Amino acid sequence: ETGVTQSPTHLIKTRGQQVTLRCSSQSGHNTVSWYQQALGQGPQFIFQYYREEENGRGNFPPRFSGLQFPNYSSELNVNALELDDSALYLCASSLGRLAGSYEQYFGPGTRLTVT
Amino acid sequence: KQEVTQIPAALSVPEGENLVLNCSFTDSAIYNLQWFRQDPGKGLTSLLLIQSSQREQTSGRLNASLDKSSGRSTLYIAASQPGDSATYLCAVSNYQLIWGAGTKLIIKP
Repeated sequence: ETGVTQSPTHLIKTRGQQVTLRCSSQSGHNTVSWYQQALGQGPQFIFQYYREEENGRGNFPPRFSGLQFPNYSSELNVNALELDDSALYLCASSLGRLAGSYEQYFGPGTRLTVT
Repeated sequence: KQEVTQIPAALSVPEGENLVLNCSFTDSAIYNLQWFRQDPGKGLTSLLLIQSSQREQTSGRLNASLDKSSGRSTLYIAASQPGDSATYLCAVSNYQLIWGAGTKLIIKP
């Protein structure tokens, strides 16, 4: 059984650029959630996808968008990068539409630095 | 709005001590509560998950309790070791996880 993987592990971008982060969910899991973790803080929920549709969203602007593919892997896209977008981005997969009611399994994260 | 608080923010203890980390939450309508460990610059490792109908869970030297009525959970670590040094986060869930800011734990040899 393969765990949750994320790519890339580290990324440096310039303010105003766009970035795509990728996540492969654990085998058999149909729900993916994305979180942003700023330094010294707990993660903040961005959004989750269930069977290719957005199934909940946190307090993030529309320039944060996502996709989930038929194999349940997922992308997080961020447009018009700002300095405050610098953070660790975590992906978690779980089984079931209500992601919070099931145990979530986390990937190692992507460290994004915006300069 | 659910809010999760972890106290203390940081804790330093000698090796071998038993210790308790605290997590409080404001809304008792949760599916479950999870405790995670995070090493510096790394992702999250799930330690224990307590369903809302449960009172506690145990794994090795770790024991987590849940009191929904008072909005509290504790993580008890027995016989602490330097390898336990990490940040410990709790998260409560309805349809998403709401996180505390974590307790940074240092175990001194």
